[in-house]
Parts: sequence; C-alpha cells; structure tokens
Amino acid sequence: DIQMTQSPSSLSASVGDRVTITCRSSQVISNYLAWYQQKPGKVPQLLIYAASTLQSGVPSRFSGSGSGTDFTLTISSLQPEDVATYYCQKYDNAPLTFGGGTKVEI
Amino acid sequence: QVQLVQSGAEVKKPGASVKVSCKASGYTFASYGISWVRQAPGQGLEWMGWISANNGNTHYAQNFQDRVTLTTDTSTSTAYIDLRSLRSDDTAVYYCVRKPMAKVPDYWGQGTLVTVSS
Repeated sequence: DIQMTQSPSSLSASVGDRVTITCRSSQVISNYLAWYQQKPGKVPQLLIYAASTLQSGVPSRFSGSGSGTDFTLTISSLQPEDVATYYCQKYDNAPLTFGGGTKVEI
Repeated sequence: QVQLVQSGAEVKKPGASVKVSCKASGYTFASYGISWVRQAPGQGLEWMGWISANNGNTHYAQNFQDRVTLTTDTSTSTAYIDLRSLRSDDTAVYYCVRKPMAKVPDYWGQGTLVTVSS
C-alpha cells in the first residue's frame, strides 16, 4: 500500500508568517491529493483537492502545489483562526491513506 | 444541501460489536460511495474502508479486513459500519464521508463516538 508521510508533525509560527507543510507519497498518485483542516473537537474540513484546487469558501491564503509524489500546503499569512491540525489524503484509489497530520500553533 | 447524519454515541464492552449508521440526504445516494474514517483520542485520521452505494462493492483497509463490514440500504439512503470483536483501542470517533468515484471525499458526517470499556 502507498504510504503518506507528512512533515513536520508540528510547528509553531507567528501571525503573518508563511507556513509550509509537506506531504510525500511512497508511489506516484498523480494529483489525487487533498488537504483537510481539523480544528480541535471539530469535523475535518476540505481545504484543497486535486493537489492545488481551493475548495469553495476557503480563504485564498491557503494554496496547494505538487504532483506525482511530493505535495505542499502553504498558508501565505498565518492567522489565529488557522490553529488546527492539517492532514493530506490520497484519493486515487483504495486505500485512501491519510498523512500523519501537522499540528499548527501560534 | 448535502447532509450525512450519524447515529449517537455508543458504549460497548470488549469483544462486543457495534453498528453505526450514516443517513444521507440532499443528493442521489446511489450515485456516490461512502468512506469510513476513525480518529482515536488525540490521534490522527485513519481510513477504514469504502462502499459503493450503487452496487455494494467494498474496499477495506488491511487493518480492519477481518473485523469490519460495510453495508448500505438504498431504500433509506443509509450506510452502516459494523465493527466486531471490539478492543479498547477501538475507542474513537467514527466518521462517514461521501466519496464520489475518482473524486475527492467531500462531505463528512458529524462523527459517532464509540467507547470500548469494561
């Protein structure tokens, strides 16, 4: 099975900072990569799909890039409401594996 | 609007089984699949399996293949996950997620807490 590896597992940054999270798959998954945001005690919310397409309603400070095996989620200017754990997930075919998550703090 | 409404919290003893439901509305149920994801306390998201609501085809994660059964009832637009031989480390919030074919999983249920304790 394809493994999804996220890094870092946690980070602390200041308001206004540019934040980058990386997700690497063990095999090529084309662009079938999604990013989710999960705030404490809440249901995960879809941020980005197809590696770089912003879900409707998601602030433009979030962006995604990559294809093949290496993907990146970028928050261009970190805001207090972005405190959350972020997960990548492959969705080309089963198993739809998640990355281990990246906890973002301020 | 698309909604997935899950059944309420459960408390089970080790060795028992639990069946969680996920009632869909706001879309054509049989045109999509349903994935199940769980999250143990303080842990990450873990994909458990997927079922096509159209034909009942399933894919299970290797970790759950021998203990999980996914089913759907198209007459009530409801998906079910049945987890057997429960252990304490099955304590988690279980989510259903709508999964279109070859597209991103998009809508999530509110989650169902299953607690396994003697």
